[in-house]
Amino acid sequence: GESVGLHLPTLSVQEGDNSIINCAYSNSASDYFIWYKQESGKGPQFIIDIRSNMDKRQGQRVTVLLNKTVKHLSLQIAATQPGDSAVYFCAERAGSYQLTFGKGTKLSVIP
Amino acid sequence: DTAVSQTPKYLVTQMGNDKSIKCEQNLGHDTMYWYKQDSKKFLKIMFSYNNKELIINETVPNRFSPKSPDKAHLNLHINSLELGDSAVYFCASSQDGGSGNQPQHFGDGTRLSIL
Repeated sequence: GESVGLHLPTLSVQEGDNSIINCAYSNSASDYFIWYKQESGKGPQFIIDIRSNMDKRQGQRVTVLLNKTVKHLSLQIAATQPGDSAVYFCAERAGSYQLTFGKGTKLSVIP
Repeated sequence: DTAVSQTPKYLVTQMGNDKSIKCEQNLGHDTMYWYKQDSKKFLKIMFSYNNKELIINETVPNRFSPKSPDKAHLNLHINSLELGDSAVYFCASSQDGGSGNQPQHFGDGTRLSIL
């Protein structure tokens, strides 16, 4: 079946560097995508979303890029900080009116 | 000022018991969800309610029964607990009429451990 997945399960980044977390999706009907951050012992926290009529969206220190041609989504975090250490999930909404979550990438920030 | 709150945070119980998890949201949202997160962090939707009406019911054993007394509350009752039910259960809410095109806001989870 179609699913959302991630290229890298773990990512280690030096503090101050930029981080890029990737997500591949296979459902070409997906029209809405969200990135979530989950810290240990907490629930997923909304970071940023993007709709399929856009290819880029920026927030505070974060940018989401959507490439519909290759069905790829990425989250860029500028000047990564220790507080950014968490598991990051991408999620997609296809026609079933529900979100399907990817497997998650663990980001570790090295001080 | 908690937005989505779940109780209890931890639940340890014996196999075969019946237990409930409660969820309340004070965001004024019209749609609420239950998700199960397994030991590999995979998040899977179980149920969704819009204005107290069930709109998503994934392939979940009928030992799991959600109840929504009003649109601010969605509780989850589990009968005859099994070892495989051990997981973290998350409640979430959104304001999108159940269409799934707005961000969902999550509680901090209930960690269920079956002995």
